[in-house]
Amino acid sequence: DTGVSQDPRHKITKRGQNVTFRCDPISEHNRLYWYRQTLGQGPEFLTYFQNEAQLEKSRLLSDRFSAERPKGSFSTLEIQRTEQGDSAMYLCASSPSGSLDVYNEQFFGPGTRLTVL
Amino acid sequence: GENVEQHPSTLSVQEGDSAVIKCTYSDSASNYFPWYKQELGKGPQLIIDIRSNVGEKKDQRIAVTLNKTAKHFSLHITETQPEDSAVYFCAAIRLSGYSTLTFGKGTMLLVSP
Repeated sequence: DTGVSQDPRHKITKRGQNVTFRCDPISEHNRLYWYRQTLGQGPEFLTYFQNEAQLEKSRLLSDRFSAERPKGSFSTLEIQRTEQGDSAMYLCASSPSGSLDVYNEQFFGPGTRLTVL
Repeated sequence: GENVEQHPSTLSVQEGDSAVIKCTYSDSASNYFPWYKQELGKGPQLIIDIRSNVGEKKDQRIAVTLNKTAKHFSLHITETQPEDSAVYFCAAIRLSGYSTLTFGKGTMLLVSP
């Protein structure tokens, strides 16, 4: 399977614990995105990488959230001191880079469902 | 920032009927409008898109229309099949300059055999 993969698919944790998710994009894709999706809502943008550089962060990304893409390949999203409000599906997407006036399709992974008890 | 409203939140149709999902956007600078289909346990998948210089686009049983003046766009699915059952999201983005996708809240489409 050459699509976007995410690990784990499900994570249950207790409030106050730290969690880390991993995303492996499609191999030739330079851009990598993280979204959060809560029940009954569309995906909400969290952050975006062009290769290893984190170029944009949403206001949704509080100080407890940190994302990395150290070698421009896989990415990790860490949530520290989890809260019940962090319960959501965390989606990763990747796309090739290109000119700004062309939409390069974002391919989404299956997501990691986080439940904070 | 951009705000995308989507209606209805749920839509039930009989197999063979048509389904229409409508979205409005707030930022007149948005110029690209993709539609995504999300099946249970999977991430969203692009099914059709339209740019602001086009009023309508069709791909087999699905079509999208855009009214720039009114800032609304719609997804039309004809001859629905049970496998069309999923959650559909509209989105908007301004190309030419960095911007991010803004999604609607989604429409759960249920097609009964």
